[in-house]
This record gives sequence, structure tokens and C-alpha cells, in this order.
Amino acid sequence: AQSVTQPDIHITVSEGASLELRCNYSYGATPYLFWYVQSPGQGLQLLLKYFSGDTLVQGIKGFEAEFKRSQSSFNLRKPSVHWSDAAEYFCAVGESSRGEKLTFGTGTRLTIIP
Amino acid sequence: KAGVTQTPRYLIKTRGQQVTLSCSPISGHRSVSWYQQTPGQGLQFLFEYFSETQRNKGNFPGRFSGRQFSNSRSEMNVSTLELGDSALYLCASNLAGSGEQFFGPGTRLTVL
Repeated sequence: AQSVTQPDIHITVSEGASLELRCNYSYGATPYLFWYVQSPGQGLQLLLKYFSGDTLVQGIKGFEAEFKRSQSSFNLRKPSVHWSDAAEYFCAVGESSRGEKLTFGTGTRLTIIP
Repeated sequence: KAGVTQTPRYLIKTRGQQVTLSCSPISGHRSVSWYQQTPGQGLQFLFEYFSETQRNKGNFPGRFSGRQFSNSRSEMNVSTLELGDSALYLCASNLAGSGEQFFGPGTRLTVL
């Protein structure tokens, strides 16, 4: 069975600082990996996805993620965070490139301090 | 283009009752998935419908059911509600083959 681990429940960073959110997955076949963001009271929005090819993927809002098969990781990064990035971030793995039937991690809550 | 809409946004029910939640996908999207989000269990996949057929199912009891209509709108039903069914229920639609799910704002169900 596939699983996703986000080891950091809560991260606090200063505005303008860099950010890295960790994600480790367990999946027997080629993983289809996603990062979603959820702002309070809202649904989830896709930041980026990885299916194959270049292991460094660019997403919306200045986010990027790097797929490392040897480490079973798909960490999310942003060089300089903005106060509006405060939200909950979810890493997910899907069974196909269609993106349905996602298995989500437990999420990382990001707090931005001025 | 309108996003995914879910109705109602909030619901309060008592144990033993049943509830029906509705989801209207983005126009042109034929796949609709449902997820349950709770503080304890996180986000869990319930089921997915495509062209009125259930294509995928998660590990939930039979009290949880769904259906999809010919216009791709979907409903999910929970019968014999339990306290543990209190959750945010999220619906997502998917343009076939795109790999991206578009989520609605959710329906907050409280079971008393």
C-alpha cells in the first residue's frame, strides 16, 4: 500500500526566508507525486506535480520540488516566503497520472512571522 | 469558468440520521472524487466517479455511498450517522488525463 510521510507538523519561518517542506513516500511502482496547499476555510489547490522526466519541477506561486528516487523524497521548496504563504501543505501520491485516488500525508502547517 | 461548488457548506445532524451532500464539478470535468478530512485521520479518499460509474473506492464502510448523474454532478450519502463522521467533506473534479484535481471548498458536517 502506498503511504506518504510529512515529518514536520508545524514549521515557522520569517518572511523572506527560504522554505523546505519534507515529504517521503512509499510506493512500489512509479510514483505520481503532488503538492497541494490549503488555506483556512478553503479547499485544496495544486501547487505542482511530478510524473516523470526532469526531477526538479516548478509550480505556481514560486514553489518548486525535487524528486529523489534514492531517498523516496519529494521535498517542496521556496527561496523566499511571503506572508500569504501561510497555510497547510499536503504532499500526496496517486496511483495514476490521472491524479485521482490520492493518498495524502498528514500535512505541514506553515506559519510566517514578520 | 466557475469552480467546483459544494452544497450545503455547513450541516448539523444527529446520530442515526442520514445526510446527502452535493458536488457540482467544473464544466467539462467528468471525474468527481470525494475525500473526508478530519483532524485525527487527515485526508482520506472515499470514492471516485467517472461517467456515472464508480471507478475507485477507498476503505470506508458501506454507510458511505455516492452516485454521479449524467451532467457529472455527484452526491454522496452517509446513512446512520456516527459522531466520528463529523468532518470536512471535500469534492474534487478532474479533467480526464490532466492529473490535476480541482477541489471545492468542502461541506462541514457536524454530528451531535
